[in-house]
Amino acid sequence: GEDVEQSLFLSVREGDSSVINCTYTDSSSTYLYWYKQEPGAGLQLLTYIFSNMDMKQDQRLTVLLNKKDKHLSLRIADTQTGDSAIYFCAETTVFRYKLSFGAGTTVTVRA
Amino acid sequence: ETGVTQTPRHLVMGMTNKKSLKCEQHLGHNAMYWYKQSAKKPLELMFVYNFKEQTENNSVPSRFSPECPNSSHLFLHLHTLQPEDSALYLCASSQEGQGGLGSPLHFGNGTRLTVT
Repeated sequence: GEDVEQSLFLSVREGDSSVINCTYTDSSSTYLYWYKQEPGAGLQLLTYIFSNMDMKQDQRLTVLLNKKDKHLSLRIADTQTGDSAIYFCAETTVFRYKLSFGAGTTVTVRA
Repeated sequence: ETGVTQTPRHLVMGMTNKKSLKCEQHLGHNAMYWYKQSAKKPLELMFVYNFKEQTENNSVPSRFSPECPNSSHLFLHLHTLQPEDSALYLCASSQEGQGGLGSPLHFGNGTRLTVT
């Protein structure tokens, strides 16, 4: 199957780190993505990782991939109020051209 | 400005109405998509068009009818909808294919549809 699962909610204090977790079922997943959806807007590609990588860092964002456990995480350092949004995990393979999305994790940043 | 524009932003319609959602992309992409976003559910792919040809119909009920007159425009015609069809309908485009790294999805801001 192509299921992607995420926890639905995360609350974090401003300035702390946020960690959003995602699990997927397709062991042949090749590309894994994080999309961000701000209120009233569509999804924006935030970052991505290839399956041959374990980690990718991009400024405040760190993506960790554990292929054995089929687990993907997104860490946001020094979380700001502007980081409040819904974060979607997505994956696909070179054979299955469709993207499979999770249900999204709503991140709320409190002062 | 997202490069993908959807109209209207909000739509309320009765179950017997006929309405259309419109999507336009200014990115020179060749593939366009309709997604349905319901609360607490994974994003559902509905239709895919590649170079104006429909390449995916993800078991969508016939009360939803897509139309892609050219690579820049995509419509979703709605008729005799049900209350459970209320959702955010997102249009997306990509250079080609779907979702590969060389061809990421660009989304519009969506149409919030309420069926009464």
